[in-house]
Amino acid sequence: DVKVTQSSRYLVKRTGEKVFLECVQDMDHENMFWYRQDPGLGLRLIYFSYDVKMKEKGDIPEGYSVSREKKERFSLILESASTNQTSMYLCASRRDSTYQPQHFGDGTRLSIL
Amino acid sequence: DQQVKQNSPSLSVQEGRISILNCDYTNSMFDYFLWYKKYPAEGPTFLISISSIKDKNEDGRFTVFLNKSAKHLSLHIVPSQPGDSAVYFCAASEDTDKLIFGTGTRLQVFP
Repeated sequence: DVKVTQSSRYLVKRTGEKVFLECVQDMDHENMFWYRQDPGLGLRLIYFSYDVKMKEKGDIPEGYSVSREKKERFSLILESASTNQTSMYLCASRRDSTYQPQHFGDGTRLSIL
Repeated sequence: DQQVKQNSPSLSVQEGRISILNCDYTNSMFDYFLWYKKYPAEGPTFLISISSIKDKNEDGRFTVFLNKSAKHLSLHIVPSQPGDSAVYFCAASEDTDKLIFGTGTRLQVFP
């Protein structure tokens, strides 16, 4: 089974702090993704990465950046946290192959005070 | 503009009956469709998928139907079980790139 592990289940930070969310997958997947989930809005893509050192903007990249130095690890960075970034953050990975599903971690619920 | 829509926020079904969850999309270029199930405090779990060259895919109690002309996707669960109670998301992609998710339907299966 695919295992996608997010380092924190719950996180509380203050406005203006730099926040790091970490995600690790153990299936040697090429592609990794970061989403946020908000009530009534479903899952929205923030950033994704096709491979190491590669990154692509998703639908809502503003206020975020990412880092992929190793294949198994994909980090989401909130450069200067704001209250509107309070959300559930979900990481996913996928084999780089046609018509493959994404597999998700359990999420990090982030609160910005 | 939402490209993938789940118009029913909730659905309640008796145990043993069929659950039918619906999804509509607007982008005719979508070629891969998926259903995910999500329990509270857990990430979405992949259930079943279908490519645009098919109109039906079955996996145990779960069947996904695709009607390309109507741009409509549905998930049938037969028979429904209490453990199926969760939020179900449909998702679609174009050229197997990023997924676009619907807003979810909460299914409750009661005894």
